[in-house]
Amino acid sequence: QVQLVQSGAEVKQPGSSVRISCKASGGTFSVHWVRQAPGQGLEWMGRIIPLFGTTKYPQKFQDRVTITADKSTSTAYMELTSLRSDDTAVYYCAKGVVICNNYGCYREYNWLDPWGQGTLVTVSS
Amino acid sequence: QSVLTQPPSASGAPGQTVTISCAGSSSNIGAPYDVHWYQQLPGTAPKLLIYGDNNRPSGVPDRFSVSKSGTSASLAITGLQAEDEAHYHCQSYDRSLSASVFGGGTRLTVL
Repeated sequence: QVQLVQSGAEVKQPGSSVRISCKASGGTFSVHWVRQAPGQGLEWMGRIIPLFGTTKYPQKFQDRVTITADKSTSTAYMELTSLRSDDTAVYYCAKGVVICNNYGCYREYNWLDPWGQGTLVTVSS
Repeated sequence: QSVLTQPPSASGAPGQTVTISCAGSSSNIGAPYDVHWYQQLPGTAPKLLIYGDNNRPSGVPDRFSVSKSGTSASLAITGLQAEDEAHYHCQSYDRSLSASVFGGGTRLTVL
């Protein structure tokens, strides 16, 4: 069973950036990033297929989120820029299912399992 | 505002059946895209509960089941137990947004 281990909590100033890591190994899969503000629901921020480096972002985060992956260390990263107070949240990575061949991935399923333990990012001056 | 709409809270006594709804639109649940459900115990990460058409990961009891009709889906929990007290989140895909979308989550209280 794949396990996802995330980096530790961060405290950032407004206007700065944060980069969170997620170590995940074992097979071909996608890594998604989801955040949860205090007392709120879940919000999808984007995903990467580490094998090919292909990314996808919702329009809301296209200008501020960059997801990357280092295949050599089986680690995915999510960087969020221009931080604001309403970016204070727990950020999760989670594994998605993809079906790929040597040329690319031709099928993708968006259920997420398992999830990382979460990383609390606090944005405060 | 979440794209999928869930009631903020639900409750039931031990042994009862509780149903949690997830309302969407023709661009997500009604498209139709699969709906997935997650259970989030207090202070922990969400855990996949049911995916696709009533598929349960290993270890999830069959007391949990889902149904779907038109632009809505529902999660039913039968034989409610104290350990079921958690937040429940629904998820689908929205073709207009080209994004995965979630409901706002429902807090289930076992009375």
